[in-house]
Amino acid sequence: EPEVTQTPSHQVTQMGQEVILRCVPISNHLYFYWYRQILGQKVEFLVSFYNNEISEKSEIFDDQFSVERPDGSNFTLKIRSTKLEDSAMYFCASSEQGGGTQYFGPGTRLLVL
Amino acid sequence: KNEVEQSPQNLTAQEGEFITINCSYSVGISALHWLQQHPGGGIVSLFMLSSGKKKHGRLIATINIQEKHSSLHITASHPRDSAVYICAVLFKSGSARQLTFGSGTQLTVLP
Repeated sequence: EPEVTQTPSHQVTQMGQEVILRCVPISNHLYFYWYRQILGQKVEFLVSFYNNEISEKSEIFDDQFSVERPDGSNFTLKIRSTKLEDSAMYFCASSEQGGGTQYFGPGTRLLVL
Repeated sequence: KNEVEQSPQNLTAQEGEFITINCSYSVGISALHWLQQHPGGGIVSLFMLSSGKKKHGRLIATINIQEKHSSLHITASHPRDSAVYICAVLFKSGSARQLTFGSGTQLTVLP
């Protein structure tokens, strides 16, 4: 069964460093999403992406964040200058249709020291 | 304000029990998702529904649009059902694709 994959599974970085989180969505899906979950808190929407551009973004998704689909398979989330409060689990998801079922990746656990 | 509330926050059951987890939301929605989050953190989509009822194996999800309420039922619960169950909605008044999540219900099924 097709699945969303994410790399790395864990990342530790120093405050101020740039990180890139990678996702490979399900191949025939057209809509892509990033979410984050700070430890012990709710999952929060960050951004949705369709047709090579951002379609929605939340207040969390400020200028430090960017997303890209550099080729036909990868979907990346870049955090330019990490802060301690960026420590969280980051989930990628994809869906075939805009309001359709979203399939989640296993997540990347980011720790900023 | 668009809000999603789940209850209970924590639920402990004995193996074989019938379990109900509730989700209520503040305003009209386009769709509601039930998700399962495993202890390692991974999230699995269980159901997406906008009306009526869906069933998959021992899991049943229902939604009452008028009452702005959904329930997830697990019949003949098993210890492997232990996980966090999360309700997430697409509000009609908000973005068509921006899911708003509940806080989750931590379910523990004891053998």
